[in-house]
Amino acid sequence: DAMVIQNPRYQVTQFGKPVTLSCSQTLNHNVMYWYQQKSSQAPKLLFHYYDKDFNNEADTPDNFQSRRPNTSFCFLDIRSPGLGDAAMYLCATSRDLVGLSNQPQHFGDGTRLSIL
Amino acid sequence: DQQVKQNSPSLSVQEGRISILNCDYTNSMFDYFLWYKKYPAEGPTFLISISSIKDKNEDGRFTVFLNKSAKHLSLHIVPSQPGDSAVYFCAASFAGGYQKVTFGTGTKLQVIP
Repeated sequence: DAMVIQNPRYQVTQFGKPVTLSCSQTLNHNVMYWYQQKSSQAPKLLFHYYDKDFNNEADTPDNFQSRRPNTSFCFLDIRSPGLGDAAMYLCATSRDLVGLSNQPQHFGDGTRLSIL
Repeated sequence: DQQVKQNSPSLSVQEGRISILNCDYTNSMFDYFLWYKKYPAEGPTFLISISSIKDKNEDGRFTVFLNKSAKHLSLHIVPSQPGDSAVYFCAASFAGGYQKVTFGTGTKLQVIP
């Protein structure tokens, strides 16, 4: 089945120690998104890639970076994690840009990040 | 500024009865609305959507109603089943170019057998 896969499912890192979360997709979708979701809150969009074009949300901290080396993979790098970065991180894909196609997003199961 | 609001954090319904989940939005420019379902330890999965040119969309047991004048949409599940127990997120987006999807905070539905 075509899907969005996130690794690892659970990640523990130390305060200030860089961490990378991984997302892969077999849907061959053009757009890949990273969301941060904290308990009882709405998913918050951090950034997205449309093909190779990177689009950062205005309120995404500089501490968060992303890479998309090819269509299938996208990474979320947190350069110096703080306690406030503990959250569920969700990767999603869509065939085309929201607003152009009215296509739903397909989500992975998320990576729960804990900061010690 | 929470543009999409789900004011009920939780809802309990007896199996076989109707579940009604509500969502309010503040931006009249939203023109596409979606509902996602999320089980514990899984990502959200798309459930049903509706365009602003419609006021109702039905898919099996699931029906979404849109009231644009009230800036309100609702998801009806009939009949409710224990497997429907999950968190339901309402989401909205604009047309034209890239516009991010704005999510609500979710409503946890529990269907009691």
